[in-house]
Amino acid sequence: DIQMTQSPSSLSASVGDRVTITCRASQSIYSNLNWYQQKPGKAPMLLIYAASRLQSGVPSRFSGSGSGTDFTLTISSLQPEDFAMYFCQQSYSTVRTFGQGTKVDIK
Amino acid sequence: EVQLAESGGGLVQPGGSLRLSCAASGFTFSNYWISWVRQAPGKGLEWVANIKHDGSEKYFVDSVKGRFTLSRDNPKNSVYLQMDSLRAEDTAVYYCARDMWPNWYFDLWGRGTLVTVSS
Repeated sequence: DIQMTQSPSSLSASVGDRVTITCRASQSIYSNLNWYQQKPGKAPMLLIYAASRLQSGVPSRFSGSGSGTDFTLTISSLQPEDFAMYFCQQSYSTVRTFGQGTKVDIK
Repeated sequence: EVQLAESGGGLVQPGGSLRLSCAASGFTFSNYWISWVRQAPGKGLEWVANIKHDGSEKYFVDSVKGRFTLSRDNPKNSVYLQMDSLRAEDTAVYYCARDMWPNWYFDLWGRGTLVTVSS
């Protein structure tokens, strides 16, 4: 199976900060990479698909980039509602795999 | 409203069985693949299985192959995950999610149902 590794595992940031989360795949997955946000007790929510395409309704402060094995999720100006867990997920192989998650909390 | 709703979770002994249901509303269910994704308490997300819109193709993660089966009833807008020979490590919240071809992302999720495997 394709292994997905996120970094950092957690980070502390302030409202207004620019935040970057990285995701690395164990082999090339081209642009088959999606990002989700999950808040405590809730289902995940799709943010970005196909590495850089913003899901409808998601604020434009979220952006994604990368291809091959290295990907980035950027939040340009962190808002109070953005404190959450973030997961990357590859959709290149039939068996989808997720990164272990990055927790973004308040500094 | 476009939504998915899981049901059927609960407490089951190791070796037991459980059937989860995922009911869809607000969209043309028969046009979509559906996946199940689980999350053990305090852990990350794990994709479990998916089923094609017409039920003709199904895929499973290795850890559940031979123990879990998938089916769907399009007239009832429902997908069913039959879980047999359950193990403690199957304990998790199980989500069903709409699986979007061709980019294969999950754009709609249910609220999840908790399965606890314990004696």
